Amino acid sequence: SAVISQKPSRDICQRGTSLTIQCQVDSQVTMMFWYRQQPGQSLTLIATANQGSEATYESGFVIDKFPISRPNLTFSTLTVSNMSPEDSSIYLCSVEDPAVYGYTFGSGTRLTVV
Amino acid sequence: AQSVTQLDSQVPVFEEAPVELRCNYSSSVSVYLFWYVQYPNQGLQLLLKYLSGSTLVESINGFEAEFNKSQTSFHLRKPSVHISDTAEYFCAVRKSDKLIFGTGTRLQVFP
Repeated sequence: SAVISQKPSRDICQRGTSLTIQCQVDSQVTMMFWYRQQPGQSLTLIATANQGSEATYESGFVIDKFPISRPNLTFSTLTVSNMSPEDSSIYLCSVEDPAVYGYTFGSGTRLTVV
Repeated sequence: AQSVTQLDSQVPVFEEAPVELRCNYSSSVSVYLFWYVQYPNQGLQLLLKYLSGSTLVESINGFEAEFNKSQTSFHLRKPSVHISDTAEYFCAVRKSDKLIFGTGTRLQVFP
């Protein structure tokens, strides 16, 4: 199955700053997905990142707040911009993995905004 | 539209007891259903999935789930739980190439 390397694994950031999270996959994938998991909550899809096109954002998420890059078929970044304490969450990337007929997730980035 | 409902936010059980974690979905088209497990301070792991074929699917660690089209359910079961099964369990449905998650069920196994 696909192996996803996500970093940083955790960070503590000052409000008003930005953090870029990286996601590297060991195989080429068409779509990559970014999720947010707020404390004690389930996973909410932020956006779908396709190589060579703009990311598609879900309702309630906007590009200015969560800009996404997808420069090639194995890599993507998610930036959390102008952070506030409400952005404290775990952010996860995911890919559809044909090898397991399912979806594989990165280990997540635990973000705390102070 | 497709959505997933997990009615139980927490399920406390004693070790070696059976457990059922409930999941219902709403869909007007073919469904692909998944159960993921999240151990404390870890990422998500695929536990099992239903894509087609046999309605009973099993995982390597003793969990099983049955796809029931008439009841639109995909409940997760284990006949005898271990302390190590303590985790958050998420049911999910595939929608337009994306995974939509239920709210999760916290399984707490007590000795």
